[in-house]
Amino acid sequence: EIVLTQSPATLSLSPGERATLSCRASQSVSKYVAWYQQKPGQAPRLLIYDVSARATGIPARFSGSGSGTDFTLTISSLEPEDFAVYYCQQRYAWPLSFGGGTKVEV
Amino acid sequence: QVHLVQSGAEVKKPGASVKVSCKASGYSFSNYVIHWVRQAPGQRPEWMGWISAGSGYTQYSQNFQDRVTITRDTSASTAYMELRSLTSEDTAVYYCSRDYFPEKDRLSGYGDYFAHWGQETLVSVSS
Repeated sequence: EIVLTQSPATLSLSPGERATLSCRASQSVSKYVAWYQQKPGQAPRLLIYDVSARATGIPARFSGSGSGTDFTLTISSLEPEDFAVYYCQQRYAWPLSFGGGTKVEV
Repeated sequence: QVHLVQSGAEVKKPGASVKVSCKASGYSFSNYVIHWVRQAPGQRPEWMGWISAGSGYTQYSQNFQDRVTITRDTSASTAYMELRSLTSEDTAVYYCSRDYFPEKDRLSGYGDYFAHWGQETLVSVSS
């Protein structure tokens, strides 16, 4: 099973600042990584798939990069609604797996 | 608009089984894969498996291989997930999720991203 490790566990930032979240895979997952946002009491929301493609309706301030084992989600300028937990997910191999999450807090 | 409506919360004893339903609307049910994902309190999401709504073909995580069965009823546009031999470690919220890509795109190497989610079903296992 491919293990995804996210860092940092918590990111404390202010609205308007840039957020950089990392995800490292235990083996190469090529370009098959997605990022999700989850708010309390809600299901995850797909933001980015295949490393850098934004899902339908996702604002341009969200961007993804990386390849192989190291991936990054960048939020260029945090909006108040962006404070949440973010998970990466790989689809390179079954079982599909998620990282442990990064909480972006005020 | 894609809409997935799940059945309500369940309370089960250890050793019992639970079956959760997921009724889809707003799209052509048979054209997409439906996944099941669970999330224990404070934990990362965990993928359980998927079903082709068109063919009924299934793919399960080996972490649940012997305990989970995913089925669908195309006439009702509904998918089901049954989990057997429950323990307290199965206490979690369970989600169904429709794939981002149509199933036909799997032939081109796309798929296995979770685009639309149900509203969650809490399964509590306690003696």
